[in-house]
This record gives sequence, C-alpha cells and structure tokens, in this order.
Amino acid sequence: QKEVEQNSGPLSVPEGAIASLNCTYSDRGSQSFFWYRQYSGKSPELIMFIYSNGDKEDGRFTAQLNKASQYVSLLIRDSQPSDSATYLCAVYNAGGTSYGKLTFGQGTILTVHP
Amino acid sequence: EPEVTQTPSHQVTQMGQEVILRCVPISNHLYFYWYRQILGQKVEFLVSFYNNEISEKSEIFDDQFSVERPDGSNFTLKIRSTKLEDSAMYFCASSMTSGYNEQFFGPGTRLTVL
Repeated sequence: QKEVEQNSGPLSVPEGAIASLNCTYSDRGSQSFFWYRQYSGKSPELIMFIYSNGDKEDGRFTAQLNKASQYVSLLIRDSQPSDSATYLCAVYNAGGTSYGKLTFGQGTILTVHP
Repeated sequence: EPEVTQTPSHQVTQMGQEVILRCVPISNHLYFYWYRQILGQKVEFLVSFYNNEISEKSEIFDDQFSVERPDGSNFTLKIRSTKLEDSAMYFCASSMTSGYNEQFFGPGTRLTVL
C-alpha cells in the first residue's frame, strides 16, 4: 500500500511566523509532489507543486523536496490568519500502471492566530 | 481564470436510488478524475479518464460506479444503487497532461444518502 503521511496537527503559529508542514511518502517511484490547501467544507486548492530535489519558492510559499529521504515540506512565511486551513500533501507516480492517480495524505490542520 | 464546475452542489437521495454527478472540466484539459472525501477522512481517488475511456480505477470504483463524457464538455459520475456509505463529498478534477499531472479540483458535490 503506497502511503502518504502527514502530521495531522493541529499546528498553531502566531501571525507573521513561519509555518512548516511536513509529508513523507512510501513510493520511491513518486515523481510529482503537490500541496493543496483545503478550507473547511471546500475543495482542495492547488498552491504548490515540485518535481526536482531542492527548494521551489512562490511568493510566501516554499516547497522542499528530498527524494532520497522521501520527504516533502511546505514553508509558509509571514503566516496570516487567512492561511488557517488544512494542508494536503499529494503524490503522483507516473510510472507503471498509474494514469493520473494522486495519493493524498490525511492533511495537517494549520491555525494562525493573531 | 478557467475553473472546474460541478453540479449539483448538494444531492440528497434515498438508499438504492441512482444518482448522476456532473462536472465541466477546464476546456483545454484532456484528463479527468473523480475523487471522494468522506467527512473527516482523506481525499480518495476513484477513477481517471482519458480519450473516452477509463485509464485507472481504484478498488472503491466497483460495478455500481460508472463514468461518461456524453459530449465535449460534461463529465459524469453515476452511482447506480446508492448505499449509506456512499455519503461523501465528490470532487471532479482535470489536468492538461498526465506527465507532471497538476490537477485542478471543482467545488464538489455533497452526496447524502438516507
């Protein structure tokens, strides 16, 4: 069973701080890694994706990937109360018989308090 | 900005009834997906669809489920005989390619089976 694991939290950070969200995955063949944000009762919203080892920055968000350690993380700088949501890590393996299936973690609840 | 749309937003049905959930993917996308999320649980893959046929399906997607692209814009999920445990949010997603596979989700249909 190919799994994606996240710390369910809740993770609570003060406004303006850096929030660090972590994800590990078991399928070594995974090639693409996605971070989605999900507000309560809403659908997943794609915020970042990463394919190569290292860091990728987009505004206040930085995704970090370490394929050797099977680890992907998301940093949110200058956290705002509007960032309070559940953050979902999703993994894709394009090889073998997979045709588009994203495997999701259970999500980390982030609360940013003023 | 183009987006995936879904109708209805909420569907209530009696156990044993058939339901059809509808989706309009982003217009230039070629790959289509259905996921579901039972309240409080992970987002789970159901099926992927490309070139008018199913590319991959999960063990959840049994004979009571079917998908169809009846015209150039709509993508539907049919549940033939609903069960109580089918109650969930159903999300449609689409992507332009299957390579890196950035999938964009619709707002979801909340299905309640009584």
